[in-house]
Amino acid sequence: AQSVDQPDAHVTLSEGASLELRCSYSYSAAPYLFWYVQYPGQSLQFLLKYITGDTVVKGTKGFEAEFRKSNSSFNLKKSPAHWSDSAKYFCALEGRLSGSFNKLTFGAGTRLAVCP
Amino acid sequence: GGIITQTPKFLIGQEGQKLTLKCQQNFNHDTMYWYRQDSGKGLRLIYYSITENDLQKGDLSEGYDASREKKSSFSLTVTSAQKNEMAVFLCASSGTGGADTQYFGPGTRLLVL
Repeated sequence: AQSVDQPDAHVTLSEGASLELRCSYSYSAAPYLFWYVQYPGQSLQFLLKYITGDTVVKGTKGFEAEFRKSNSSFNLKKSPAHWSDSAKYFCALEGRLSGSFNKLTFGAGTRLAVCP
Repeated sequence: GGIITQTPKFLIGQEGQKLTLKCQQNFNHDTMYWYRQDSGKGLRLIYYSITENDLQKGDLSEGYDASREKKSSFSLTVTSAQKNEMAVFLCASSGTGGADTQYFGPGTRLLVL
């Protein structure tokens, strides 16, 4: 079984601050990990993904994420945050084991509000 | 680049009604997906298809049927709409390799009266 936990349903911070959105996962092997963003009234947009190799991956819109096998986490970071980053962010996992390819398991999401 | 279109954008149905949602993609992707998004929750996979005429059940397939008549289109049918049901249905597509990025459509918003 595989699962993704985003423990913070809501995060609020001031523009210019550093943001870090938490994501932890449960999977029996090394997974593929993704971050997506959903702006109000819009669909999901891909931000970045971890496949293998360098544990810090950079994505679009100035975001990056760090894969930490030691504590099964894949936290999303950006500094500084801008009010336009206000959105809902989803962490997702794809298993590497046979039969799991292409099937994403999503966390419940974190709604981020960046105040001007 | 490419685009995914979903029709209709909004769907209002009656309890017990059969409702069909459609999705088209021009990425030339092999794999297509249907997800359900409920307020405050993550996305849950209903059905996916790795090629034309293929269907694979996801975690939430009960109460739904799907159809992949051709590579570019994937339809989802709610077999019997539940009263007061409200959700967004998202279609996505990707390649078939591991870690291929899924691209999402704009969604169909369903309300059952």
